[in-house]
Amino acid sequence: DAKTTQPPSMDCAEGRAANLPCNHSTISGNEYVYWYRQIHSQGPQYIIHGLKNNETNEMASLIITEDRKSSTLILPHATLRDTAVYYCIVRDRDDKIIFGKGTRLHILP
Amino acid sequence: GAVVSQHPSWVICKSGTSVKIECRSLDFQATTMFWYRQFPKQSLMLMATSNEGSKATYEQGVEKDKFLINHASLTLSTLTVTSAHPEDSSFYICSARGRTGARYTFGSGTRLTVV
Repeated sequence: DAKTTQPPSMDCAEGRAANLPCNHSTISGNEYVYWYRQIHSQGPQYIIHGLKNNETNEMASLIITEDRKSSTLILPHATLRDTAVYYCIVRDRDDKIIFGKGTRLHILP
Repeated sequence: GAVVSQHPSWVICKSGTSVKIECRSLDFQATTMFWYRQFPKQSLMLMATSNEGSKATYEQGVEKDKFLINHASLTLSTLTVTSAHPEDSSFYICSARGRTGARYTFGSGTRLTVV
């Protein structure tokens, strides 16, 4: 089973920051948090991953709480092309990526 | 960046025939590959994990004799759906991880329709 919980859907106005939360309360000390997104009928696209420090790349920022029990993915200036299902994933002990239901993000024009 | 090529992107086959899907890592050596299946409006479901040169490990409920996985080289894994039936129609996606990388890279998926 997936080790993360996410809201099923969220709306965000175009041009605003989209903040997607994720709970992973059972995460262990050496497990990474990964974020992927899936646009309709495509394979998942890697966004970002982190262990305990906040991370930023050209696509997004990842904020991980100090206790590592939750994280937030931030898309700083959402566009219509960011409409997708976003998956927060913790790799399991067998190094497998198990997908939960994700958050369906709607960007509103 | 790491690129995984999956082929074909879509295929239609008749019931009872077999279909092979290829997954290639183009610019890195994929020591581990994963195969997923996704039904409409659902999340990805992991089917099996394969390590280069080893037999695949299948998730509970996935028939290993129906979904044959071969990972004979560090850049190629194949999934063969044998004796396909309409209920096997789905979106199949592969993923690969390299020897040293923490990132998992996904293919673009294959839409299989069995008629």
